[in-house]
Amino acid sequence: KQEVTQIPAALSVPEGENLVLNCSFTDSAIYNLQWFRQDPGKGLTSLLLIQSSQREQTSGRLNASLDKSSGRSTLYIAASQPGDSATYLCAVIGGSEKLVFGKGMKLTVNP
Amino acid sequence: DGGITQSPKYLFRKEGQNVTLSCEQNLNHDAMYWYRQDPGQGLRLIYYSQIVNDFQKGDIAEGYSVSREKKESFPLTVTSAQKNPTAFYLCASSLRDRASYTFGSGTRLTVV
Repeated sequence: KQEVTQIPAALSVPEGENLVLNCSFTDSAIYNLQWFRQDPGKGLTSLLLIQSSQREQTSGRLNASLDKSSGRSTLYIAASQPGDSATYLCAVIGGSEKLVFGKGMKLTVNP
Repeated sequence: DGGITQSPKYLFRKEGQNVTLSCEQNLNHDAMYWYRQDPGQGLRLIYYSQIVNDFQKGDIAEGYSVSREKKESFPLTVTSAQKNPTAFYLCASSLRDRASYTFGSGTRLTVV
């Protein structure tokens, strides 16, 4: 059964830092990996989707990489801002063909 | 703008009542999903539907029921058999299996 892990569960940083958020998954046979952002009491906003044939995707200050063989993905946030404060979730689609989520990482960016 | 609309945003249920959560999408997506989110836990799949008039149980389907009579709509009923229904419920859709998921804004259900 696929398991997705995000460590640490929470991170607090000063504004302006470059951040690396980690995601690991146990079964490397995935079709794609998706990063989401969730603000308190809100739904999920898709940030980036990486297909299994890709190694990375970029959108603005965000860059996500995928290493299927090692079962890892990294979300890089450049020049963090207080508005980046949210919970970030990683999810994969594998053999079950349904999205399997990690528990998320709560990010706080302090002004 | 295309998207997913969930209603109501907040819902209160008395013990023994059935309640229905609405999910509508205008993205022309084939697949729709219901997830439950509890504090400190990841999202867990309740039910999903890949095509009209067909749906499948997810990991925690007990105490829930769904229907998919129209492509745009995938309502979730939380029945009295669900013993711990207080949670945040999220609906999602995708163009097909393995494609990017789009989520609604969620419904917070509380048992009173």
